[in-house]
Amino acid sequence: DAKTTQPTSMDCAEGRAANLPCNHSTISGNEYVYWYRQIHSQGPQYIIHGLKNNETNEMASLIITEDRKSSTLILPHATLRDTAVYYCIVRVTGGYQKVTFGTGTKLQVIP
Amino acid sequence: DSGVTQTPKHLITATGQRVTLRCSPRSGDLSVYWYQQSLDQGLQFLIQYYNGEERAKGNILERFSAQQFPDLHSELNLSSLELGDSALYFCASSAGQDNQPQHFGDGTRLSIL
Repeated sequence: DAKTTQPTSMDCAEGRAANLPCNHSTISGNEYVYWYRQIHSQGPQYIIHGLKNNETNEMASLIITEDRKSSTLILPHATLRDTAVYYCIVRVTGGYQKVTFGTGTKLQVIP
Repeated sequence: DSGVTQTPKHLITATGQRVTLRCSPRSGDLSVYWYQQSLDQGLQFLIQYYNGEERAKGNILERFSAQQFPDLHSELNLSSLELGDSALYFCASSAGQDNQPQHFGDGTRLSIL
């Protein structure tokens, strides 16, 4: 699986959009980008995933650059409950490989 | 609620002992994954099973073993426990097709005294 690079921490004002970047410059053509978050010590929560097109669901939007070397997770209106560690991972389709979670980005939403 | 059930929620035991952690995947999911998360550490992938067969292995110690049963529930066995094995152990499940996301349980907190 390709490695990902994320900033260690970010702050965002409550009500504003939170934009979390992820670099995956060695991503392969058959690897999806997944985003998860972990609030305190709870089980990680799936947010969104995509291959090359931008994706949106009720939680967030995922913007993947045309060359697929980076992506941005957008939380359109951050709330205090969005304070969490956000993980970006890439994983190949087909076959079975170990899953690598990096250290993630600790997002602090500030009142 | 992710639909993934892990038991027990908390487990306290002593060094040298053996414990079994249990995971029931979401209905219909064929893949089960196990992760370890030590204090202030990231998620370390241990092992994946698909429909009863081992499919991928991560940094799993030889003292640890897992299996997935015909009803698709999975168990993670930890033996000869050491203080450093104290951690949160998460189970996740997915539909099985490799691009499907994983859904995580609430974890088992293991404390070794």
